[in-house]
Amino acid sequence: GAGVSQSPRYKVAKRGQDVALRCDPISGHVSLFWYQQALGQGPEFLTYFQNEAQLDKSGLPSDRFFAERPEGSVSTLKIQRTQQEDSAVYLCASSPGGRVGSSEQYFGPGTRLTVT
Amino acid sequence: SQQGEEDPQALSIQEGENATMNCSYKTSINNLQWYRQNSGRGLVHLILIRSNEREKHSGRLRVTLDTSKKSSSLLITASRAADTASYFCATRGFQKLVFGTGTRLLVSP
Repeated sequence: GAGVSQSPRYKVAKRGQDVALRCDPISGHVSLFWYQQALGQGPEFLTYFQNEAQLDKSGLPSDRFFAERPEGSVSTLKIQRTQQEDSAVYLCASSPGGRVGSSEQYFGPGTRLTVT
Repeated sequence: SQQGEEDPQALSIQEGENATMNCSYKTSINNLQWYRQNSGRGLVHLILIRSNEREKHSGRLRVTLDTSKKSSSLLITASRAADTASYFCATRGFQKLVFGTGTRLLVSP
């Protein structure tokens, strides 16, 4: 079956541009997560949705980062006025359950953002 | 910030050998998970061990957990070139996963 998909796979933005990254989770998955992975590091949590509700955005590094999931399925991560330090791979993951301690997360292939 | 650290940072072995990587973490956990990441398949869940378990097996994978030392190890037996990847441990904080820094494993034919 279809896994988590993300688009675009690669994005080059000039400093100061806005970008929008899309995530299509596995159909029916309640939970959706965004992570940021810098080169040579492990993924770091950005934000979490349960259906359309954004329950945790503690990992968003600044108010230039904004995420939404208006209908509880597709999610968009938007970065305004991109900076060079935003260059990273942005990973989306989904999981079936909404309760604490539920199952593993299924990751998409990521979007590699390069800010020049 | 990263929850834990993997050790070693990089590991290079020959096919058929065993690979052991270690993970240390900082806070109390309900479970600890191991993930593999390579360029072909992205980040893939390998195995989950709960805090009340000490050892778990899945195919060629063996995971141990020592909650008193806040550490876990992943053993891959009879390694294959296809095992070449980065391996991360991850602990669960509320819903989010908190990843370690990763071990880069290279398995040479």
